[in-house]
Amino acid sequence: GAGVSQSPSNKVTEKGKDVELRCDPISGHTALYWYRQSLGQGLEFLIYFQGNSAPDKSGLPSDRFSAERTGGSVSTLTIQRTQQEDSAVYLCASSLEVLGETQYFGPGTRLLVL
Amino acid sequence: GDSVTQMEGPVTLSEEAFLTINCTYTATGYPSLFWYVQYPGEGLQLLLKATKADDKGSNKGFEATYRKETTSFHLEKGSVQVSDSAVYFCALSAPNFGNEKLTFGTGTRLTIIP
Repeated sequence: GAGVSQSPSNKVTEKGKDVELRCDPISGHTALYWYRQSLGQGLEFLIYFQGNSAPDKSGLPSDRFSAERTGGSVSTLTIQRTQQEDSAVYLCASSLEVLGETQYFGPGTRLLVL
Repeated sequence: GDSVTQMEGPVTLSEEAFLTINCTYTATGYPSLFWYVQYPGEGLQLLLKATKADDKGSNKGFEATYRKETTSFHLEKGSVQVSDSAVYFCALSAPNFGNEKLTFGTGTRLTIIP
């Protein structure tokens, strides 16, 4: 019944490696969001998906960050050539596409770049 | 751009005390307003919301009223409990059908002592 799930829950990687973070939204939710929660920047928006397309990528901090969504469901956030400043908790949320609708958040993936 | 300013923490109160966490916002148009809560070791969850001016959101004894004239959405509770200890985030979403990306405040850590 589930809520939004994310994997892995924790990821430790070395600087320069690529990482993939996965999000499974609530079934039937067409809108999907990625956010990042870090000590220095607080909670910030990264990217929004409507179905499989991403009409708003304005929050992605650099071209090392990309995301895709397939089948209107699962989404993957990829960070290439990770840097220490990428260390953060990456949160995924999903919602129905209705004005003011609640976004339901997953538990997050805690990424540590050494 | 849109922004949310909320009361800096940490806030420490005794059990049964009255709680106010201030939140003001800047946005174009008429945003929806939210309070999210993050309990220790848990993910973000919606506490309450209001989608238009003068609406009052309420849940678990917490209340907040959407005040357009003062651009505020202050969180209040008449008698706090130890179990209310958490980080509270004020947030808004701009009126952009479908893309309801959230802009968050910096969060206020609340600790209730018995």
